[in-house]
Amino acid sequence: QQPVQSPQAVILREGEDAVINCSSSKALYSVHWYRQKHGEAPVFLMILLKGGEQKGHEKISASFNEKKQQSSLYLTASQLSYSGTYFCGTASNTGNQFYFGTGTSLTVIP
Amino acid sequence: EAQVTQNPRYLITVTGKKLTVTCSQNMNHEYMSWYRQDPGLGLRQIYYSMNVEVTDKGDVPEGYKVSRKEKRNFPLILESPSPNQTSLYFCASSPGQGATNEQFFGPGTRLTVL
Repeated sequence: QQPVQSPQAVILREGEDAVINCSSSKALYSVHWYRQKHGEAPVFLMILLKGGEQKGHEKISASFNEKKQQSSLYLTASQLSYSGTYFCGTASNTGNQFYFGTGTSLTVIP
Repeated sequence: EAQVTQNPRYLITVTGKKLTVTCSQNMNHEYMSWYRQDPGLGLRQIYYSMNVEVTDKGDVPEGYKVSRKEKRNFPLILESPSPNQTSLYFCASSPGQGATNEQFFGPGTRLTVL
């Protein structure tokens, strides 16, 4: 049930935009996005809930297509601080078990 | 300060020597979980707990045990560690049900089993 992310890695110049995709073979009830910097713990970015509700903290946007079982994370006007590995995650249908995707490495260069 | 703490942060041990990694949170969260992170495999859930005395297997529970006797603590026990359990381990907690709420992660424990 592990979600599949694409691309696996991306390199951007400062100011460029990026899209990270996450898809699941199972029905999605919620999609979570986390960012992990090298040597650190994952940090929460956003949750998208079935029905359209979105909960997040940062100025990063995302979409959630329940029918296609997909989510996309949009990073616009990237900054050096955006570098890291991005993980999507999804819960089981009972809401108890959690599955992270394999991650997308994002590198922003000056 | 609201946080999840793990100890130890680094551990090198030998095959078969029982060990415990502690996890504690001070946010009164119901949901707690353990993950292991391996290159190319992302984060995989080992065990989770919905509340005190309620635990269940995640995706990769073999070789691990957990307990939840108090709300704040969720230790991970390796009764007989093997080299394939060499990994980076994260504990996380979340208010309410884990599926619909943000998870707060501890700093990680890097375990090497020789």
